[in-house]
Amino acid sequence: EAGVAQSPRYKIIEKRQSVAFWCNPISGHATLYWYQQILGQGPKLLIQFQNNGVVDDSQLPKDRFSAERLKGVDSTLKIQPAKLEDSAVYLCASSLRGRLSTEAFFGQGTRLTVV
Amino acid sequence: AQSVTQPDIHITVSEGASLELRCNYSYGATPYLFWYVQSPGQGLQLLLKYFSGDTLVQGIKGFEAEFKRSQSSFNLRKPSVHWSDAAEYFCAVENNAGNMLTFGGGTRLMVKP
Repeated sequence: EAGVAQSPRYKIIEKRQSVAFWCNPISGHATLYWYQQILGQGPKLLIQFQNNGVVDDSQLPKDRFSAERLKGVDSTLKIQPAKLEDSAVYLCASSLRGRLSTEAFFGQGTRLTVV
Repeated sequence: AQSVTQPDIHITVSEGASLELRCNYSYGATPYLFWYVQSPGQGLQLLLKYFSGDTLVQGIKGFEAEFKRSQSSFNLRKPSVHWSDAAEYFCAVENNAGNMLTFGGGTRLMVKP
């Protein structure tokens, strides 16, 4: 079974530039999550999708972050414009029935460095 | 609000020695508790979980954890550490609705030969 795919693996941009991350969840997984993991900290949930609808985006900085999941499969997370404090690893995860910790699988993440 | 504290940022143990990683949580109801491992450049992998019942839970790779309600703790243990166990370990608590997983800050484990 293929895992959660994320790209790119690494990205370096200057502050005020824009960046987008892509996630392809495991086939058939209805729920998709984006987490932000700042160096030295645990992952923090940014947004959760159930199919193509948003379940929770209470911790997403909506002035600069946006995410979409067209057709309920792939998802993109965008930052525009980026700030230095956005430097982090962005993890995508998917699960079958919406219960993250019982059967969720994480991708390898995208490491973003903002300079 | 739920929260998780992992008091030890770094731990170094010798290969073959026993290991205990501490985790304390704060949650108003019966918690759902988890341990994840993250190897360098990898995503998070679930080691074990506690929902109810037996307070000593077994996980993959020889790990176990014990839920102690009186101490609000869920410490991870392994009787004999292998070099391949070097990684970062995260404790997490989930709300009863199953849609919010809160992670601790992590403990980085280093294994000496």
